Formats: sequence, structure tokens, C-alpha cells
Amino acid sequence: DTGVSQNPRHKITKRGQNVTFRCDPISEHNRLYWYRQTLGQGPEFLTYFQNEAQLEKSRLLSDRFSAERPKGSFSTLEIQRTEQGDSAMYLCASSLGPGLGFFGPGTRLTVL
Amino acid sequence: ILNVEQSPQSLHVQEGDSTNFTCSFPSSNFYALHWYRWETAKSPEALFVMTLNGDEKKKGRISATLNTKEGYSYLYIKGSQPEDSATYLCAFPVGNNRKLIWGLGTSLAVNP
Repeated sequence: DTGVSQNPRHKITKRGQNVTFRCDPISEHNRLYWYRQTLGQGPEFLTYFQNEAQLEKSRLLSDRFSAERPKGSFSTLEIQRTEQGDSAMYLCASSLGPGLGFFGPGTRLTVL
Repeated sequence: ILNVEQSPQSLHVQEGDSTNFTCSFPSSNFYALHWYRWETAKSPEALFVMTLNGDEKKKGRISATLNTKEGYSYLYIKGSQPEDSATYLCAFPVGNNRKLIWGLGTSLAVNP
């Protein structure tokens, strides 16, 4: 499978716990994006990387959210002290430069 | 504030009908326009990237046109089938880093 993969696919956690998601992009893609999608909305931009550099982070993202892409390959998104409002589908996409992005299957987070 | 607008918000058609919807975007500093198809419980599927004024792209029964001077793109589906039921999203890369700005999508339901 040479597409974008994300793990885990589903995560249920209690409020206040930390969670970490992983995204493995298509291997030759240098750009990696994180989005959040809630019911009835389009993808909401969170952050993106070009190689290992984090180029932009949404102002909507609180300090509880952090993302890394240490070697310019896979990326992790961590949410600390989760809140019920963090419940959403977290999508990762990768692209070769500013080209058409290919999305992973997403990680659905439920915060109880 | 850069906005990408899509219309209509939702559409219900009968199997066999042809349909089209619109994506409007800022006409200045145009770089590209992306179309995605997003089925419920799946991640977005890349359809087209449009770059040149007058571009027309086709994938099976789905085609798209682009007018960069007036800032709109049309997506057409010929002979809609129930499996075409999905949300169709357009996205517009902006800024030096070409971050994607998303429309809210057109939700298409095709009744058998």
C-alpha cells in the first residue's frame, strides 16, 4: 500500500488524557498537512510541514496541540489534556510541493 | 480574508440526471484549484487540479472547467449514479506557502 496511512484509526480517551496520532505520508511527498474535520464541516487546517520544517500553524490551534515531523518522513500530532471539544476526525494529507494532496483514512478521536 | 465558496450547499437528484455545481475563489494571484470527492466515513479523494484559465479536466463521468479571470470552476457529473453521492470540495492554494483554503462543499445525494 503506497498511500497515506494513519494510526490509530480510532481513539477513545478520557478528558484530560494525552493522545498521539501518527501519519505516514507517500514516500516521495515533501509536504504533510494535518486537518481536523467535525460533523458537517470541511477540513479545518491545523498545520503543515515542508520536509521537517513546520511552516504554519493555525491560530485556532491551542498550545495543547503540537506536531512534529523529525526526519521529514512520518509526522505525529499530539493533543495534551484532551477536552470534549477535541472530538473530531483528524486527517493527514501529503503532497509533492503545492500539488494535489492525497489524504489518509483519518483518525477518529472521541473524548469522553 | 480569502474565501472559497461553493454552491449549492446540497443537491438531491435522481439517478441518471446530470448535475453541476460551482466553486468561487479569489481571481487575483491565482495558482491552482483543487477538486476533491469526500464520501461519508472515508477520507477525501483527489479528483482534479486545475491550473490554466479555460482548463477542462475529465475523469469518467465527472468533468471540471476553470475560469480564472472571473474566479469560478464548475464540476459536472453526467448521468449521476447512487455511488456518486458524496460531498464535493474545492480547495484553493494561497500565499507563498500555498496553504489550501477549503470551501464547505456541495453535498450530493443521488436517489436510485
